[in-house]
Amino acid sequence: DTAVSQTPKYLVTQMGNDKSIKCEQNLGHDTMYWYKQDSKKFLKIMFSYNNKELIINETVPNRFSPKSPDKAHLNLHINSLELGDSAVYFCASSQEVRLAKNIQYFGAGTRLSVL
Amino acid sequence: AQKITQTQPGMFVQEKEAVTLDCTYDTSDPSYGLFWYKQPSSGEMIFLIYQGSYDQQNATEGRYSLNFQKARKSANLVISASQLGDSAMYFCAMRVGRDDKIIFGKGTRLHILP
Repeated sequence: DTAVSQTPKYLVTQMGNDKSIKCEQNLGHDTMYWYKQDSKKFLKIMFSYNNKELIINETVPNRFSPKSPDKAHLNLHINSLELGDSAVYFCASSQEVRLAKNIQYFGAGTRLSVL
Repeated sequence: AQKITQTQPGMFVQEKEAVTLDCTYDTSDPSYGLFWYKQPSSGEMIFLIYQGSYDQQNATEGRYSLNFQKARKSANLVISASQLGDSAMYFCAMRVGRDDKIIFGKGTRLHILP
């Protein structure tokens, strides 16, 4: 019954590999997000999608490509992984963004370690 | 530019005491929302409380309340009767206008002592 679920929870991989993180929400929300939390716990938005349409792309390298097959899913694909990509990646979702109280609900996070 | 500042990197508090976590924000937009999230050691981000810029009263959710001082641009989180399970990182965040984006502060690590 998890509202926002992301898989895998842990991902360990070699530099240069390509990997994907999946996210699904069962809240019926229209908007989904990806955030990156670095080793100092700083959390920064990467992308947002509203109804499968890209809304925000925050100067993220184009090795990162989000894919939204439907409004309940937003996957993150990362090509040619680099050491600096090691972080915790959070998926989140929210209801209609035009509401003033646009609370974002987060998944449990995916800890990516690039060796 | 929009900014969230949390000046307390870490705090130690005795169990059952009240805790105030500081947060100041900066925006010139009159319409904004303020949020607090909790991140326990298990890593998930848990929404705690929301305050809208036009809300007349301070938000409350159980043991959490938000001390909203609009003129001072502060949105401190107050936790009453702290418990050991309150030990976690706490993030203050802001959404401006109809912007899709939430910006986060650097967080405060709270330790509750038995």
